[in-house]
Amino acid sequence: EDKVVQSPLSLVVHEGDTVTLNCSYEVTNFRSLLWYKQEKKAPTFLFMLTSSGIEKKSGRLSSILDKKELFSILNITATQTGDSAVYLCAVGMYSGGGADGLTFGKGTHLIIQP
Amino acid sequence: SAVISQKPSRDICQRGTSLTIQCQVDSQVTMMFWYRQQPGQSLTLIATANQGSEATYESGFVIDKFPISRPNLTFSTLTVSNMSPEDSSIYLCSVISGGAYEQYFGPGTRLTVT
Repeated sequence: EDKVVQSPLSLVVHEGDTVTLNCSYEVTNFRSLLWYKQEKKAPTFLFMLTSSGIEKKSGRLSSILDKKELFSILNITATQTGDSAVYLCAVGMYSGGGADGLTFGKGTHLIIQP
Repeated sequence: SAVISQKPSRDICQRGTSLTIQCQVDSQVTMMFWYRQQPGQSLTLIATANQGSEATYESGFVIDKFPISRPNLTFSTLTVSNMSPEDSSIYLCSVISGGAYEQYFGPGTRLTVT
C-alpha cells in the first residue's frame, strides 16, 4: 500500500525561527513529490521535486528530495505569522495511462506565534 | 498556472438529496481530478475525470455515489448522490496542465449534510 508520512503533525514556534518539515514515502512507480500550503480550503502549490539532491527555493522556503532514502524536507527560514498553515506533502506516481492523482500525507499544522 | 473556479463554494443539504459541483478552468488542461477532504483529515483522491469517457475511480469510491462528467478539456462536474452526514467534506477539483505534472487545486466546495 502506498504511504506518505509527515512529521511532526503539529509544530508551534516563534516568529523568526527556522522550521524543518519532514515527509517520507513508500510508493510504487514514484514520479514526483509535491508540497502544498493549506490555509482555508484550497491547497496552494509550493514545489514539485523530481530529481534527487536538487534544492528548490522560493523566498524563505526551500525543499529538497532524497530519492535514495525516500524523503523530502521543507525548510522555512525567518518565519512570519503568515506562514501559519497546514503544510501538505503529496506523491505522484507513474501509471500506464499517464499521470495519476496524488497520495497525500496527513499534513503538518504549523503555528507561528508573534 | 491555470485559473480554476468551483461552484458552489459552499452548500448545506439535507440527507437523501444530491448535489452537483462544477469545476471550470480558464484553459484546456491535460488531466482533471476530484478529491475529498473530510473534517480534520487530509485529501483523498476520489477519481480521475477522463474527457469523453467514464471516470477512473479509486478504491472505496463508486460511480453510483459519485458520478463524474467531463464533456470537454475545461469543465467537469462531480455529483454527490443520496447524501448522508458522512459526506460532509470539502470537495476539490485539481488539474494538470501540460507535461510538467504540477497539480493545481480549485478553491473547493464545502458541503454540509444535515
